[in-house]
Amino acid sequence: QKEVEQNSGPLSVPEGAIASLNCTYSDRGSQSFFWYRQYSGKSPELIMSIYSNGDKEDGRFTAQLNKASQYVSLLIRDSQPSDSATYLCAGLNTGGFKTIFGAGTRLFVKA
Amino acid sequence: NAGVTQTPKFRILKIGQSMTLQCAQDMNHNYMYWYRQDPGMGLKLIYYSVGAGITDKGEVPNGYNVSRSTTEDFPLRLELAAPSQTSVYFCASQRDRGSVETQYFGPGTRLLVL
Repeated sequence: QKEVEQNSGPLSVPEGAIASLNCTYSDRGSQSFFWYRQYSGKSPELIMSIYSNGDKEDGRFTAQLNKASQYVSLLIRDSQPSDSATYLCAGLNTGGFKTIFGAGTRLFVKA
Repeated sequence: NAGVTQTPKFRILKIGQSMTLQCAQDMNHNYMYWYRQDPGMGLKLIYYSVGAGITDKGEVPNGYNVSRSTTEDFPLRLELAAPSQTSVYFCASQRDRGSVETQYFGPGTRLLVL
């Protein structure tokens, strides 16, 4: 069973700080990884995707991928209370048509 | 362009009742998925479809059935509802297979089985 593992949290950071979210995956054939944000009672919303080793930056968000260590992370700079949500890490299976989701990390940003 | 739509938003079922959760997408996506999300948990794949007439089981298919007669629609059928099926159900679609493809989610259906 291919898995994506995340620390469930909650992770609590003060407003303006950097929030660091991590996940590991077991499918060495996975090439694409995603971070989804899910507000309570809402559907997941894609915020970052990453396909290559290294960093990918988009505004306040930076995704990092290390395929050798099977590790994916998301950094949120200048965290805002509106960033408070559950963040789901996901990996696309080797065949490219099934996405495996982690259980999510709950983030709280304190004003 | 409505994206992925789901109906109903919320439903209460009695044990043993049946119902169909509707999902439709207007993006001409080939791939469609049904997930369930239990409280505090991630998304578990129930069934998926790679095109009209083709469906396959995911991680947790027991107690559910699907059909895909058109590209647009992918209904999920619960035949004999059980309390263990209390969950939030999300439908999603993906344009095609491939490493750069991402999934688009519907708003979800909250189901309570009593």
